[in-house]
Amino acid sequence: GENVEQHPSTLSVQEGDSAVIKCTYSDSASNYFPWYKQELGKRPQLIIDIRSNVGEKKDQRIAVTLNKTAKHFSLHITETQPEDSAVYFCAALLNTGGFKTIFGAGTRLFVKA
Amino acid sequence: GAVVSQHPSWVICKSGTSVKIECRSLDFQATTMFWYRQFPKQSLMLMATSNEGSKATYEQGVEKDKFLINHASLTLSTLTVTSAHPEDSSFYICSAILGQMNTEAFFGQGTRLTVV
Repeated sequence: GENVEQHPSTLSVQEGDSAVIKCTYSDSASNYFPWYKQELGKRPQLIIDIRSNVGEKKDQRIAVTLNKTAKHFSLHITETQPEDSAVYFCAALLNTGGFKTIFGAGTRLFVKA
Repeated sequence: GAVVSQHPSWVICKSGTSVKIECRSLDFQATTMFWYRQFPKQSLMLMATSNEGSKATYEQGVEKDKFLINHASLTLSTLTVTSAHPEDSSFYICSAILGQMNTEAFFGQGTRLTVV
């Protein structure tokens, strides 16, 4: 069935360090993988995404890598800042007749000043 | 970017009553919208896919008679929680995408429902 697993559930880093969040997906039909940042009580905000024909994408301090063979994708945040503290969700878009986005369980990131 | 507006942002209702939540795409036409439910400290769980002019597609375990979805126009989808109970209290959030393939989902601001 359709499933997206995300690890870790909680991540605490010192300001300036890097943070890595990993996800795996089960459905090989997935072809689009967005990452969202959600602050408490707010809507998810897209921070970066990657499509299945690309292995890596970078946007300033944020990068995402995709391994289609292993069905893994990861979010990398470098030079973390306290304002990076939030819940991060990975997701996979399935396009099998109809289409829908399945979310991982989320990672609560704490960046300590 | 595209804007999705959700209303109301919060609502408190009595047990047994019904509540309607609206999701509007303000600057684009959304043939498909999605409804999610998010309990505290949990992920977004897809409830249903709302298709303009046709019946919604519900995820397994979601009661279609309890969560009524109507997508009567290309810019509006509504979710009605019927006969609400305290366990229906949650954060409900909609999203819409611009196209058919590989595209960003734009989220409404969410509705916090509290059933007392």
